[in-house]
Amino acid sequence: DTAVSQTPKYLVTQMGNDKSIKCEQNLGHDTMYWYKQDSKKFLKIMFSYNNKELIINETVPNRFSPKSPDKAHLNLHINSLELGDSAVYFCASSPTWPRQETQYFGPGTRLLVL
Amino acid sequence: GEDVEQSLFLSVREGDSSVINCTYTDSSSTYLYWYKQEPGAGLQLLTYIFSNMDMKQDQRLTVLLNKKDKHLSLRIADTQTGDSAIYFCAETSYGSSNTGKLIFGQGTTLQVKP
Repeated sequence: DTAVSQTPKYLVTQMGNDKSIKCEQNLGHDTMYWYKQDSKKFLKIMFSYNNKELIINETVPNRFSPKSPDKAHLNLHINSLELGDSAVYFCASSPTWPRQETQYFGPGTRLLVL
Repeated sequence: GEDVEQSLFLSVREGDSSVINCTYTDSSSTYLYWYKQEPGAGLQLLTYIFSNMDMKQDQRLTVLLNKKDKHLSLRIADTQTGDSAIYFCAETSYGSSNTGKLIFGQGTTLQVKP
């Protein structure tokens, strides 16, 4: 009965590789998000999708590409990984847009780039 | 611009009350939130308050909002060791395109001593 799930939980990879993180929500929400949490625990939004449409795209390098095959899924693909990409990536979802009331977060994917 | 500020650390004794403070800048924020993050875990929504309210109480949690000073606080009564975590204040920010996003503070680490 997991609400927002992410895979994998941990990801260790070499610089230059391409990797994907998957997110699924079973809450029936229309809006999904990706956040990045750095080593100092600072959380910042990266992307938001509403009903498979991109609505927020912060100043994120274009090596990061979100993909939403349907409104229950929002995946994050990262090309040419760099050391600075090491962080925890959180997926979230919320029921309404644009005036979302609450966002529910997944458990996070801990990415370490060596 | 949008900004949310929190003190970084708070230490209390078990059984005492904890008060975590937050200031924000976006006066158009509709909702303000408190999230809890335990070590190695995701973000858990604790409570939220609508901007036209002054106070919200939920069991041991009391949220106070001073809209004039843009100050939000979270009081935890009878703090327990299980309350040890990082607490994030967040506001909903709407840009000119009416796209909403959460702006987080830096997080306050609450340490509860037995």
